[in-house]
Amino acid sequence: EAQVTQNPRYLITVTGKKLTVTCSQNMNHEYMSWYRQDPGLGLRQIYYSMNVEVTDKGDVPEGYKVSRKEKRNFPLILESPSPNQTSLYFCASSTTRDTYEQYFGPGTRLTVT
Amino acid sequence: EDQVTQSPEALRLQEGESSSLNCSYTVSGLRGLFWYRQDPGKGPEFLFTLYSAGEEKEKERLKATLTKKESFLHITAPKPEDSATYLCAVQADPWGNDYKLSFGAGTTVTVRA
Repeated sequence: EAQVTQNPRYLITVTGKKLTVTCSQNMNHEYMSWYRQDPGLGLRQIYYSMNVEVTDKGDVPEGYKVSRKEKRNFPLILESPSPNQTSLYFCASSTTRDTYEQYFGPGTRLTVT
Repeated sequence: EDQVTQSPEALRLQEGESSSLNCSYTVSGLRGLFWYRQDPGKGPEFLFTLYSAGEEKEKERLKATLTKKESFLHITAPKPEDSATYLCAVQADPWGNDYKLSFGAGTTVTVRA
């Protein structure tokens, strides 16, 4: 089954404790992206990657890091989480040509206290 | 900066009562406008892509249209299963060098039986 998986699905952590949210896709897609979704603000793009070792900033990259060492994986790293990073996070993937038809993961709800 | 504004924020419909959702946008050069559907607790699911003014796309009870400044998602004779949040997104840069996607905040549609 074609899918995008994220782990963990739910995470409660404390300010400053480094964390990683994993994202993996099994569709051999070149393009992968991370979004955060907040009430009233909609989905905002954090980072995206056009292919292995190629990443670029989205609209809200501050406080986040990404890496793309393998085509199927695109982890999101919060080195020093803060309460304003409490949000619902989505990973998505697509072929490079059809970046609009993105397949989204189930989401990770992160709470930073 | 690209901007996407959706209205209304929420829409309550009776089953069979047709209506329209609006997505207005300001971008430097539109590459594509996309509609997604999001069910509670899930990631967005791709519906349509529109590239140029005058274009229309249909899927079951949904029809998307595009002008130079806005897009409409028409829901004809809706059923309770059409209840969801509908998201609009734009991709700027007609030259294809920027794959950033900007989303609106969404319209939450509730259809009562």
